[in-house]
Amino acid sequence: KQEVTQIPAALSVPEGENLVLNCSFTDSAIYNLQWFRQDPGKGLTSLLLIQSSQREQTSGRLNASLDKSSGRSTLYIAASQPGDSATYLCAVRAYGGATNKLIFGTGTLLAVQP
Amino acid sequence: NAGVTQTPKFRVLKTGQSMTLLCAQDMNHEYMYWYRQDPGMGLRLIHYSVGEGTTAKGEVPDGYNVSRLKKQNFLLGLESAAPSQTSVYFCASSRDSRQETQYFGPGTRLLVL
Repeated sequence: KQEVTQIPAALSVPEGENLVLNCSFTDSAIYNLQWFRQDPGKGLTSLLLIQSSQREQTSGRLNASLDKSSGRSTLYIAASQPGDSATYLCAVRAYGGATNKLIFGTGTLLAVQP
Repeated sequence: NAGVTQTPKFRVLKTGQSMTLLCAQDMNHEYMYWYRQDPGMGLRLIHYSVGEGTTAKGEVPDGYNVSRLKKQNFLLGLESAAPSQTSVYFCASSRDSRQETQYFGPGTRLLVL
């Protein structure tokens, strides 16, 4: 059974710091991996989608990497800003069934202090 | 485009009451999903649909029913609400089931007393 784990559960950093969020998954049979951002009381916004054949994706100050063989992904945020404060969720699109469903981690709550 | 919208935003129910949550998408997506989010558990799939007129069970379907009579709408029903169904419910849609991202609605907060 695919399981997704995110470490740390919570992180507080001063503004301007570079930081890394970690995601691990137990089964390498995935189509892709996504990073989402969730603001309090809001829905999920997709940040980056990495297909299983890719190693990384970049969008602005965000860079996500994928090492399928080791079951790991990292989300790198450069020059963090208070507006980056949110919960970051990792999800893998697993093989199997009609939906090839998304399996989510429990998230990392990030606080960027001004 | 409005994307994915959910109605209502918040609801309080008494145990045993019924209600329907409505999800609508204007992106012409085939696939639609209902998730629930609980503290410490991540998002879990309740039911999903691979097209108009189809529904299927996800990871935690008990106590819920769904219908997809129109392509753009996906309804989640609670026939007899229980306190264990207190949660935040998210609807999502996607164009396909493998490669592309899912787009999420803003969520419905449900409290069952």
